[in-house]
Amino acid sequence: DAGVTQSPTHLIKTRGQHVTLRCSPISGHKSVSWYQQVLGQGPQFIFQYYEKEERGRGNFPDRFSARQFPNYSSELNVNALLLGDSALYLCASSYDNRDTEAFFGQGTRLTVV
Amino acid sequence: AQKITQTQPGMFVQEKEAVTLDCTYDTSDQSYGLFWYKQPSSGEMIFLIYQGSYDEQNATEGRYSLNFQKARKSANLVISASQLGDSAMYFCAMGKYNFNKFYFGSGTKLNVKP
Repeated sequence: DAGVTQSPTHLIKTRGQHVTLRCSPISGHKSVSWYQQVLGQGPQFIFQYYEKEERGRGNFPDRFSARQFPNYSSELNVNALLLGDSALYLCASSYDNRDTEAFFGQGTRLTVV
Repeated sequence: AQKITQTQPGMFVQEKEAVTLDCTYDTSDQSYGLFWYKQPSSGEMIFLIYQGSYDEQNATEGRYSLNFQKARKSANLVISASQLGDSAMYFCAMGKYNFNKFYFGSGTKLNVKP
């Protein structure tokens, strides 16, 4: 069975641009969460979606947005990119809100220049 | 607010020896879960072990065990018989009733020496 897949794996963007990151959860999983991991730090929670609804949002500016599609895949969008947005963006999926184990993808490494 | 503290930025251990990675947490919630994840240089977070706040016995998963001391709010990871492949970053994390939202510590980089 395929695990959590994220695309692209790497990308480079210029300040001010917009970026879309994609995540496909494990088949049957309905909950997807997004995390930002800046170099040298632990991941920070950005969003959680369950059954296509936003269920939680971390302390990130409105430039960050996300959505979940009927097939439970998800997109994370970041507008007006800043140098500080350079990070590894991780997606995690679990069966539902209360699952005790979340499975992470390999991440998308975003570099803003 | 939830907070996870890992005070060991880096650790060295000899192959085949045991090592303990420290984690303390702060929460006012009564129901929560504590997790450890391994992150190799490839970036993927690999689930290692879970402990629920109401579990009375310490969790074990193969060579991994979690030393849970609720009164001290600590959840240390013990890796027995270290292997070279254990070299990686290790993150302690806490989740509330909604377990797909984690609060992570800053991590400990473990180096296993041959």
